[in-house]
Amino acid sequence: DGGITQSPKYLFRKEGQNVTLSCEQNLNHDAMYWYRQDPGQGLRLIYYSQIVNDFQKGDIAEGYSVSREKKESFPLTVTSAQKNPTAFYLCASSVSGRSYEQYFGPGTRLTVT
Amino acid sequence: KNEVEQSPQNLTAQEGEFITINCSYSVGISALHWLQQHPGGGIVSLFMLSSGKKKHGRLIATINIQEKHSSLHITASHPRDSAVYICAVVSSYNTDKLIFGTGTRLQVFP
Repeated sequence: DGGITQSPKYLFRKEGQNVTLSCEQNLNHDAMYWYRQDPGQGLRLIYYSQIVNDFQKGDIAEGYSVSREKKESFPLTVTSAQKNPTAFYLCASSVSGRSYEQYFGPGTRLTVT
Repeated sequence: KNEVEQSPQNLTAQEGEFITINCSYSVGISALHWLQQHPGGGIVSLFMLSSGKKKHGRLIATINIQEKHSSLHITASHPRDSAVYICAVVSSYNTDKLIFGTGTRLQVFP
């Protein structure tokens, strides 16, 4: 049963703490993406990776970091430098680096207080 | 101004009504996606279009490349169609990324 998993579904952290969001896919996709969703705004790209051990900044990378050590995994760390980290975070993957068809995970809702 | 604009932002309908959601974009594109996001948050891809029209069950998507406009139609709407519908485009100058609209929230009442 192929797909993308994100865990946990809900995450709560205190301000000033780093937090890592998990994203795993078993679709054998090369490319993976992290998006942030805020009320009233479209999804915004944080980071993306087209191949293992390589990744590029998206439109709102400040305050975030990623790694891509394995094809299946693309964890996102929200650092204390992110000014407004409370949001819904979505991970996606696609067969190649082109965005013609992206598959999305169920998302993680992060609340920082 | 956003590169991808959707209208309306919110839409309510009675069960059985015909629904139309519009998407206009200002960039050259390689493809356009229609996505569905349910209240739980997960996103499902409904259609990917580069020209013409596609149909899947009660859903129909059309695109007019010259007018830079796409529509998503739902025939015989049902309460389970209640969701946020998102238009996203693949820019022809950067195929690595999707550009998203802000979504249309649809509520269908029985």
